[in-house]
Amino acid sequence: AQKVTQAQTEISVVEKEDVTLDCVYETRDTTYYLFWYKQPPSGELVFLIRRNSFDEQNEISGRYSWNFQKSTSSFNFTITASQVVDSAVYFCALSGDSNYQLIWGAGTKLIIKP
Amino acid sequence: GAVVSQHPSWVICKSGTSVKIECRSLDFQATTMFWYRQFPKQSLMLMATSNEGSKATYEQGVEKDKFLINHASLTLSTLTVTSAHPEDSSFYICSARRTGPGEKLFFGSGTQLSVL
Repeated sequence: AQKVTQAQTEISVVEKEDVTLDCVYETRDTTYYLFWYKQPPSGELVFLIRRNSFDEQNEISGRYSWNFQKSTSSFNFTITASQVVDSAVYFCALSGDSNYQLIWGAGTKLIIKP
Repeated sequence: GAVVSQHPSWVICKSGTSVKIECRSLDFQATTMFWYRQFPKQSLMLMATSNEGSKATYEQGVEKDKFLINHASLTLSTLTVTSAHPEDSSFYICSARRTGPGEKLFFGSGTQLSVL
């Protein structure tokens, strides 16, 4: 069975601090895809990243970075120098193949205080 | 970038009435669209997969006669909540899959349904 666990329900940090959101997944598939989405208070989901299971190279995009480790089945997301605008709920998701039927984590609510 | 338009953003209706929610891919053709439901402070729950020109595939526990899905064209899928009841009140989100290079899933802005 496939499963995504985001153990952190809510994280609160002060602006400019670095913060890491954890994501642990379970799957028996050899080919799978991992995603991170941001859901601000407006409700609209914003795509952040998609990573396939064969690409373990870490990725950096501005203040965002992702650490994919198959050995621990984790796909953690780090925001460097957090800003108030980063406040949102962040979802980690998994799909067994490219059909995009996503298995969602419960989400982590990130609060960035000024 | 690709945009998915979902309409309406919010709707209030009386119990027993039907409500239609539209999901349009504005600059790409989407053979596959997905409908999700999200309860407050919870994750997204996949309701059904909508395939253009064929019947939708519903997830276990989702009533297909209650939540009618029509994907009549490559750019439009609709979700109709029939005979709505207060327990149907929720945030509904659609997404459209853009295939080809840079394959990606794009989400609509969601529809907040409140049934009185």
